[in-house]
Amino acid sequence: SSELTQDPAVSVALGQTVRITCQGDSLRSYYASWYQQKPGQAPVLVIYGKNNRPSGIPDRFSGSSSGNTASLTITGAQAEDEADYYCNSRDSSGNHLAVFGGGTKLTVL
Amino acid sequence: QVQLQESGPGLVKPSQTLSLTCTVSGGSISSGSYYWSWIRQPAGKGLEWIGRIYTSGSTNYNPSLKSRVTISVDTSKNQFSLKLSSVTAADTAVYYCAREEGSGSFFFDPWGQGTLVTVSS
Repeated sequence: SSELTQDPAVSVALGQTVRITCQGDSLRSYYASWYQQKPGQAPVLVIYGKNNRPSGIPDRFSGSSSGNTASLTITGAQAEDEADYYCNSRDSSGNHLAVFGGGTKLTVL
Repeated sequence: QVQLQESGPGLVKPSQTLSLTCTVSGGSISSGSYYWSWIRQPAGKGLEWIGRIYTSGSTNYNPSLKSRVTISVDTSKNQFSLKLSSVTAADTAVYYCAREEGSGSFFFDPWGQGTLVTVSS
């Protein structure tokens, strides 16, 4: 079982805003990073740190954190945003081991 | 820009050792404060972090795999490698290598394209 918990599936109407969440005790101490994965492709980093986007990631992607919950928000979801999204952070053991959430399948209606 | 490429056998027999290599291009594996990680993904399932190595040779492993995993680095070849012993069908997965930011924010970027390893007799 993962130390980071994500909803298995979320849907959003085209052009609307969706929030994908990630819960875990370690998120009280560490920021989450977020990855988008489309079928047959490697994951791609979309958000890291407090709210940073790598070059080439659209500004409709944003991140936030409160308590033990990190969130990825897509403002104005596009059809091409349909994908699996994974959060990542450190585990809660204090050994700085990496851990991933179980992933959220985003469907754009 | 830095690119990573996994290589190794796509088929491994049960009880044998899975061996993969990740070749780093576009930059030195020794530069910066980076870790070099292995991550896997069984078909239809989520991502599982396997472990990491720093260019000093220090390693960290996922506790669930620690007894079977060895990650090593060859800075002269700009490569790092994964060995997973005593494999079973449950180890069948796409294996990714990735660079892990090791200071301040923690994240994996970039990733290799992944390589499918099937454990079967």
